[in-house]
Amino acid sequence: NAGVTQTPKFQVLKTGQSMTLQCAQDMNHEYMSWYRQDPGMGLRLIHYSVGAGITDQGEVPNGYNVSRSTTEDFPLRLLSAAPSQTSVYFCASSYQAGGSVNNEQFFGPGTRLTVL
Amino acid sequence: GDSVTQMEGPVTLSEEAFLTINCTYTATGYPSLFWYVQYPGEGLQLLLKATKADDKGSNKGFEATYRKETTSFHLEKGSVQVSDSAVYFCALDSSGGSYIPTFGRGTSLIVHP
Repeated sequence: NAGVTQTPKFQVLKTGQSMTLQCAQDMNHEYMSWYRQDPGMGLRLIHYSVGAGITDQGEVPNGYNVSRSTTEDFPLRLLSAAPSQTSVYFCASSYQAGGSVNNEQFFGPGTRLTVL
Repeated sequence: GDSVTQMEGPVTLSEEAFLTINCTYTATGYPSLFWYVQYPGEGLQLLLKATKADDKGSNKGFEATYRKETTSFHLEKGSVQVSDSAVYFCALDSSGGSYIPTFGRGTSLIVHP
C-alpha cells in the first residue's frame, strides 16, 4: 500500500491564483480530512469527509473547497490564494469516523505552499 | 467539547536523559488516546495508543499509560537519543459520536549529543 499520498510537495502561488492540492489513499478508508499547520498553531482542521459524497467544514474552512466523489480521493481547492494561506497542508485518513478504538489517523507527507 | 492540553515546548534534553511530555484531556464518553510523532519535513505518524483505562501503550522505547482518574496520558522515555528530536502530538478519539479526532498543539523535543 502507498498509504496517503499528496501532490505537489511544494508550490508557490501568486495572490489571486487558484490551485488544487491532491490527496489519495489506497486503504479504503471512510474518513478523510485536511489540516493546515502553522508555527505555534498546531494542526487546524479545514474540511473533512466521512464518506464519498459527504463533506463538512472544520475549524478554518474559509477560502477552501473540497469534494469527495470517490472513496480514494479528497482534493482541496484554493479558490483565490492569499498570503495568509501560506502554510503546510496535511491530508489524513482513517478506517472510519470517530468512536472506533482502532481509529488511527494516517497522514500524508504534506504540501508546502507559499503565496506571494 | 473534547480538548487536549500538552506542555509547551521546546523541551531540550541531552542524549540519554529521561523524557516526560505531559498530556491531559477532556472528553465525553471513553476516548481512545494516541501519541503521534512528526519528524522534520514529514507528516505525523502514530507512535503509540491506548484504548481503555490503565492500558499502557509502548513503542520504540516510549511509553504512556491511560489514567482515567487524572485524565492524563503522559509520554515517557527512559533514555532519549538525538534521533528522537521531533514534534510530539497527543490526541484523542472520542466514543461520544464526534467524527473528528482532537489533537494537542504539539511539543517540540530537541535532543543534543
